[in-house]
Amino acid sequence: DVKVTQSSRYLVKRTGEKVFLECVQDMDHENMFWYRQDPGLGLRLIYFSYDVKMKEKGDIPEGYSVSREKKERFSLILESASTNQTSMYLCASSFQILARDGYTFGSGTRLTVV
Amino acid sequence: DQQVKQNSPSLSVQEGRISILNCDYTNSMFDYFLWYKKYPAEGPTFLISISSIKDKNEDGRFTVFLNKSAKHLSLHIVPSQPGDSAVYFCAAIMKTSYDKVIFGPGTSLSVIP
Repeated sequence: DVKVTQSSRYLVKRTGEKVFLECVQDMDHENMFWYRQDPGLGLRLIYFSYDVKMKEKGDIPEGYSVSREKKERFSLILESASTNQTSMYLCASSFQILARDGYTFGSGTRLTVV
Repeated sequence: DQQVKQNSPSLSVQEGRISILNCDYTNSMFDYFLWYKKYPAEGPTFLISISSIKDKNEDGRFTVFLNKSAKHLSLHIVPSQPGDSAVYFCAAIMKTSYDKVIFGPGTSLSVIP
């Protein structure tokens, strides 16, 4: 089974801190994604990557950046955390850029910015 | 403005009965639809999908119906089981330079024993 592992289940950070959310997948998938999930808004795409060192902005990239130095690892960076970035963050991966077979998601990181 | 809508935030159904989860979309460029299921403290898992060239897809207890003219799809679960209690996300795919996936806000299903 494909596994997508997010390093932290819960995080509490202070406003202005630089925050790193880590995601690792173990099935050699090319494509990796970062979403945030908020009540009433569903999942919204922040950034995605279809290859090492490649990144593309999603629908809500403001305040975030990403890093993909190795194929299996995709990091989401909050440059200066703000309270409106309190959310559930979900990492996903897929073998092909086509989403039709579904993504494999990690369990999520619940980030609280105080 | 949400392009994929799930107007019922929650739904309660008796065990053994049918659960019907609804989803509406606004963009006629969507050509593929998926349903994901999410338990608390877990990531969403892919459940079932349907292409816009079909009007029905069935997988065991789960059936998805698509009405393109109404821009509406629904997920039927028959019979409902307590283990089906979860949040269900509808998602739509639009082909651009990549598969752009738009998720709905989710419907929380409770199946009562």
